[in-house]
Amino acid sequence: NAGVTQTPKFQVLKTGQSMTLQCAQDMNHNSMYWYRQDPGMGLRLIYYSASEGTTDKGEVPNGYNVSRLNKREFSLRLESAAPSQTSVYFCASSEGLAHEQFFGPGTRLTVL
Amino acid sequence: AQSVTQPDIHITVSEGASLELRCNYSYGATPYLFWYVQSPGQGLQLLLKYFSGDTLVQGIKGFEAEFKRSQSSFNLRKPSVHWSDAAEYFCAVGDGSNYQLIWGAGTKLIIKP
Repeated sequence: NAGVTQTPKFQVLKTGQSMTLQCAQDMNHNSMYWYRQDPGMGLRLIYYSASEGTTDKGEVPNGYNVSRLNKREFSLRLESAAPSQTSVYFCASSEGLAHEQFFGPGTRLTVL
Repeated sequence: AQSVTQPDIHITVSEGASLELRCNYSYGATPYLFWYVQSPGQGLQLLLKYFSGDTLVQGIKGFEAEFKRSQSSFNLRKPSVHWSDAAEYFCAVGDGSNYQLIWGAGTKLIIKP
């Protein structure tokens, strides 16, 4: 039982490049989330998916897109990376209304 | 607006001493409350949660927290800290009506030998 897995662990991009962060969970959770974590700012929600087939914007969605591929997988895409997107990205999942979220290990992204 | 405040950015405690980390929230509905811990380079792990009932909740690793509605607080406590407790601690609030949590900025705990 791996919980929530994320790939890659580290990534360096140049401004304007694109990439997709992958996330998968094996807990049969309905809801999945993408956060970014910046020093002194806690966690900020980028997008979430309440259930398979639905996605919604969070607090800071600009510059990102998401796909809920199936119940297990939820990917985050940066179409044209900017230095302001340098951050640590966390994926999380939860059963739903209980709101207890389980987190992946994170992806450290640097945009030059 | 809904918000969560963790007033202390850093706290330094001697090993074996007691600990209290503060969390205050501003939330219109009856809140669901959480404390998470993040060890360096790791993801976040749930320490404890409060949904309803007894306002003193016990969590993992010897932590407890008390919900005080009159003070809009949910402070985290531990009677005796260990060096392995050095980490960053996050308070989060939700209301069960949607899927979003509001997060505090975190408190970094430093343990003195």
